[in-house]
Amino acid sequence: NAGVTQTPKFRVLKTGQSMTLLCAQDMNHEYMYWYRQDPGMGLRLIHYSVGEGTTAKGEVPDGYNVSRLKKQNFLLGLESAAPSQTSVYFCASSYKASVYNEQFFGPGTRLTVL
Amino acid sequence: AQSVTQLGSHVSVSEGALVLLRCNYSSSVPPYLFWYVQYPNQGLQLLLKYTSAATLVKGINGFEAEFKKSETSFHLTKPSAHMSDAAEYFCAVSAYTGNQFYFGTGTSLTVIP
Repeated sequence: NAGVTQTPKFRVLKTGQSMTLLCAQDMNHEYMYWYRQDPGMGLRLIHYSVGEGTTAKGEVPDGYNVSRLKKQNFLLGLESAAPSQTSVYFCASSYKASVYNEQFFGPGTRLTVL
Repeated sequence: AQSVTQLGSHVSVSEGALVLLRCNYSSSVPPYLFWYVQYPNQGLQLLLKYTSAATLVKGINGFEAEFKKSETSFHLTKPSAHMSDAAEYFCAVSAYTGNQFYFGTGTSLTVIP
């Protein structure tokens, strides 16, 4: 049982390049989330998904797109990377729509945009 | 709307001393509160959660937190700090829409030998 995994672990991009971050979970969770973590700002929600084929915007969605074609996968895309998107990105998942269900986190992807 | 505030971005304690990490919440509905720990270069791991069953919540690694409605607080404590407790700690409150979590800005705990 791998839990939540993220690919890649590290990435360096040049301004304007695109990339996709992959999140996979093997816990059959309905809900999945993408966060970014920046110093002094905690974790901020980018987008989330309440089920296969559905996505919704979080607190800081601009510059990102997501897709949830399969229940176990949640992809985060950057179409034209900017230095302001340099951050650590975390994926998380939770069992279902319950306010007291914990979220399970992946190990993170460290992205640097030059 | 829900939010949490963590007072003190950095806390240092001596090994064996009491650990107290502060979290205050704001919520228009009964809150569900969580403490997560993040060790260097790792993801977040759940320490404990409050779901209204009991005001004093015990978690892993000897941590506990007490929900105080009158003070809108959910402070994290541990009687005796260990070197292995050095990490970043996040308080979070969950929302009713999409099970979204709102995280505090985090408190970095340093344990001095």
